Amino acid sequence: AQTVTQSQPEMSVQEAETVTLSCTYDTSESNYYLFWYKQPPSRQMILVIRQEAYKQQNATENRFSVNFQKAAKSFSLKISDSQLGDTAMYFCAFRPNFGNEKLTFGTGTRLTIIP
Amino acid sequence: ETGVTQSPTHLIKTRGQQVTLRCSSQSGHNTVSWYQQALGQGPQFIFQYYREEENGRGNFPPRFSGLQFPNYSSELNVNALELDDSALYLCASSSGSGGGTDTQYFGPGTRLTVL
Repeated sequence: AQTVTQSQPEMSVQEAETVTLSCTYDTSESNYYLFWYKQPPSRQMILVIRQEAYKQQNATENRFSVNFQKAAKSFSLKISDSQLGDTAMYFCAFRPNFGNEKLTFGTGTRLTIIP
Repeated sequence: ETGVTQSPTHLIKTRGQQVTLRCSSQSGHNTVSWYQQALGQGPQFIFQYYREEENGRGNFPPRFSGLQFPNYSSELNVNALELDDSALYLCASSSGSGGGTDTQYFGPGTRLTVL
């Protein structure tokens, strides 16, 4: 069974600064996908970024980038030039590349951007 | 392109009752997954439907059941409601092949309160 751990329950940062959210996972699989989802107070889970484990290059999406360390089973999210709209719960999730598409989530990090 | 929709938005039931939650998948998607998110927790996988068949189930009792219709919309049914069933229920759709590589896109959720 896979597990996902987010060790930072809450974080806050000044607007325009950079923040990094941590995520570690445990799996015996070699092929899998990792995701960061954002859940604002509106409750809808929104995909932020996705990483395929077989790709060595770290994924980037505009101000969002990841640091994927496969050997260390670490998958952190960096948000650059943070904006007030980035305030939300952030969940790290894992999915193996076989079987059904079940996502295993961490417990989340509540990020607050301070004006 | 229409996103994932869920109904109702909120629901209040009493212990022992039955409830049906509904989800319309995003256009072009044939797979629907259901998740339960307790307050302050990450979502937990309930089950997944691919082309009207159950394609994997999480650690939930049989009183949690589901259906997927030919148009790929889905229902989650919960019988004999318990207080611990109070949670946000999230539906996610994807265009996988029952084990594919596609990303799940979430609906806004249904908040169920059991009194």
